[in-house]
Amino acid sequence: EPEVTQTPSHQVTQMGQEVILRCVPISNHLYFYWYRQILGQKVEFLVSFYNNEISEKSEIFDDQFSVERPDGSNFTLKIRSTKLEDSAMYFCASSPHSYNEQFFGPGTRLTVL
Amino acid sequence: GESVGLHLPTLSVQEGDNSIINCAYSNSASDYFIWYKQESGKGPQFIIDIRSNMDKRQGQRVTVLLNKTVKHLSLQIAATQPGDSAVYFCAERTLIQGAQKLVFGQGTRLTINP
Repeated sequence: EPEVTQTPSHQVTQMGQEVILRCVPISNHLYFYWYRQILGQKVEFLVSFYNNEISEKSEIFDDQFSVERPDGSNFTLKIRSTKLEDSAMYFCASSPHSYNEQFFGPGTRLTVL
Repeated sequence: GESVGLHLPTLSVQEGDNSIINCAYSNSASDYFIWYKQESGKGPQFIIDIRSNMDKRQGQRVTVLLNKTVKHLSLQIAATQPGDSAVYFCAERTLIQGAQKLVFGQGTRLTINP
């Protein structure tokens, strides 16, 4: 069964450093999403992406964040200058269309020291 | 505003019993709701969904009930098994410019006791 994959599973970085979280969505999906989950809290929407453009972003997704689909398979989330409060699980999701179920990856745990 | 929340943060039931997990939402314009299951170290996994024009939907061992009058959603799991132990989230979906956005509730941790 096809699934969303994410790398790395755990990323440790120093405050102020740039990180790139990588995702490979399911191959025939057209819509891509990033969510984050701070430990013990609910999953929060960050951004949705379709046709090489951001469709919607939350207030969390400020100018320190960016997303990119550099090739036909990867979908990345970049945090330019990490802060302590960026420590969280980051989940990538994809869906075939805008009205379909979103399939989530296993997440990347980001730890900012 | 957007707010989807849960009544209880934890729930313990005996294996084989039925469980009910509740969720309250505040956006009366929401027309689609989803329940997700999250096991430790994994991403959310779709369980079941319901549209606002329905009151009830059944799946395999799961039933979702929607009460639009009081803006309440529930997930019933029948004959619980150890593998049902997880955190369960309700989510409200909105469509923005053709793309969907999920607003998740706080989550309820369900523990199945042997």
